[in-house]
Amino acid sequence: QKEVEQDPGPLSVPEGAIVSLNCTYSNSAFQYFMWYRQYSRKGPELLMYTYSSGNKEDGRFTAQVDKSSKYISLFIRDSQPSDSATYLCATDYFNKFYFGSGTKLNVKP
Amino acid sequence: GAGVSQSPSNKVTEKGKDVELRCDPISGHTALYWYRQSLGQGLEFLIYFQGNSAPDKSGLPSDRFSAERTGGSVSTLTIQRTQQEDSAVYLCASKTSLSSYEQYFGPGTRLTVT
Repeated sequence: QKEVEQDPGPLSVPEGAIVSLNCTYSNSAFQYFMWYRQYSRKGPELLMYTYSSGNKEDGRFTAQVDKSSKYISLFIRDSQPSDSATYLCATDYFNKFYFGSGTKLNVKP
Repeated sequence: GAGVSQSPSNKVTEKGKDVELRCDPISGHTALYWYRQSLGQGLEFLIYFQGNSAPDKSGLPSDRFSAERTGGSVSTLTIQRTQQEDSAVYLCASKTSLSSYEQYFGPGTRLTVT
């Protein structure tokens, strides 16, 4: 079993929609969770970072961690065509990062 | 300031040849990571360096893969006797220290083994 599992999509939504991206993880000891955004032919860039359970909001983005179900989510409100990218969830455990396979999102104008 | 740079951006090589991929981290970043990203796959950890400590090589898939970091800065990932399954994008990332959570990624080297 992979440390972090993610639905690869692709996910296609109209502009302005609310997007929900999800991952599950295997080890209850994981505490640090990240979401990265990767545009085509670019390296990933850190979007959100959360520690333990709860929500964290940054503009149109909300990251949520549910440790009881080992579930992490990223919500994008008022999605824009510029949000079209691959989104990767990740966790940091003793300096090693485990990434999901990424969900490709397409926001149609 | 300058971000993480990698060279070459693309590399096509014949099966059985050796390749070297280079990573220039952000100046002052002490931690450096190498990852492999295959089509439709997430990032697969390969190796990380922290300062002068021994690197964590636990993610290297075989003894054909090796990496070094000279002077605590530039790193080179070497793949010997390349195989077609080595075709992937190789990404390098650096961060200020091991305790920092934010990695800064380079654009990657796209390796194709024919």
